[in-house]
Amino acid sequence: AQTVTQSQPEMSVQEAETVTLSCTYDTSENNYYLFWYKQPPSRQMILVIRQEAYKQQNATENRFSVNFQKAAKSFSLKISDSQLGDTAMYFCALPNTGNQFYFGTGTSLTVIP
Amino acid sequence: EAGVAQSPRYKIIEKRQSVAFWCNPISGHATLYWYQQILGQGPKLLIQFQNNGVVDDSQLPKDRFSAERLKGVDSTLKIQPAKLEDSAVYLCASSLDLPPALHFGNGTRLTVT
Repeated sequence: AQTVTQSQPEMSVQEAETVTLSCTYDTSENNYYLFWYKQPPSRQMILVIRQEAYKQQNATENRFSVNFQKAAKSFSLKISDSQLGDTAMYFCALPNTGNQFYFGTGTSLTVIP
Repeated sequence: EAGVAQSPRYKIIEKRQSVAFWCNPISGHATLYWYQQILGQGPKLLIQFQNNGVVDDSQLPKDRFSAERLKGVDSTLKIQPAKLEDSAVYLCASSLDLPPALHFGNGTRLTVT
């Protein structure tokens, strides 16, 4: 069974600084995808970044990047140059082969002006 | 492209009443999901459709929840009768099969009093 663990319920960061959100997971599959989703107060879940497990290169999307450690089953999200609009809940997610997505419990990030 | 449409945005009902939510996925997305998100938790899958067939409904409380996806496009999720513990945000998402990525609607916040 897929499991996703986010051990940081809340985090804060000063505007323009860098913050890293942690995620660990468990899966018996060898090839899979990992995701980070953002959920602002508006409630809509927005895809931040996606990583394919067979790719050794860490995914990057503008100010967002991941540190993917396959052997350690770790998938952290780094947000550089934090902006006020980054304030949101962040969820790590792992789909199984049937594309049923399993989500962590989330990390609430607050960007402080 | 138009996003996933959901309605209503908010709904308040009394326990034992019934309620229905509607979802229109992104055009061309064969897979549609309904998730339940209780406050402070990550989304939990209720049901997954592939076109108009059910792929996974193992976590759907079938004694009170039902869902259908007629003609493989729009979907409705119904709760009858509602319980206090059904208070949550109900998220609809759609996806292409590969690469997997959920595209979410704005969700419906249900309050059962």
